Amino acid sequence: NAGVTQTPKFRVLKTGQSMTLLCAQDMNHEYMYWYRQDPGMGLRLIHYSVGEGTTAKGEVPDGYNVSRLKKQNFLLGLESAAPSQTSVYFCASRQARGTENTEAFFGQGTRLTVV
Amino acid sequence: AQSVSQHNHHVILSEAASLELGCNYSYGGTVNLFWYVQYPGQHLQLLLKYFSGDPLVKGIKGFEAEFIKSKFSFNLRKPSVQWSDTAEYFCAVNAPNTGFQKLVFGTGTRLLVSP
Repeated sequence: NAGVTQTPKFRVLKTGQSMTLLCAQDMNHEYMYWYRQDPGMGLRLIHYSVGEGTTAKGEVPDGYNVSRLKKQNFLLGLESAAPSQTSVYFCASRQARGTENTEAFFGQGTRLTVV
Repeated sequence: AQSVSQHNHHVILSEAASLELGCNYSYGGTVNLFWYVQYPGQHLQLLLKYFSGDPLVKGIKGFEAEFIKSKFSFNLRKPSVQWSDTAEYFCAVNAPNTGFQKLVFGTGTRLLVSP
């Protein structure tokens, strides 16, 4: 199994450019997440999805949009990139089973630099 | 605001020293607790998790954690660290006020083990 795969792994953008990060999971998980990791700030939740066709805002959603058109894919979009969005982005997925909670599986990360 | 706190941001130890990393959370009610590890250049991997039952949880690579409900804590321990334990460690909590859908992380503790 590939698990959680993120595309691309590295990207450099100019301020104002747009891009989409793709997250794909092959574990049939219901929940998917996008986090950004910045030094000294840990992982902060950008957006998440609890099922196909649903999305919700996390702690730091401004400047990002997401879509979950297919259960296995969760896309993160930057419409107009800003230097403050320079970060490492991690996607994660998790199975939901009633009230019993499960661990999250993470992708390898996307290192994005906005100049 | 409800949160997850890791008070030790950087820890430096010699090999064979004992380790304890603190984690406190501010959510009321039943919580699910996790410790993740991120080795240099890699994605996050689960070390251990607590859902219910015995508050002393054993994970991989000799790590363990103790859930103390009265102190809202879930501290990570290892009796004798190795150089290969050099990594960043994250505590995470499932928040009951979002139906356990969100996974909230602390800011992380960077551990350096010197040979």
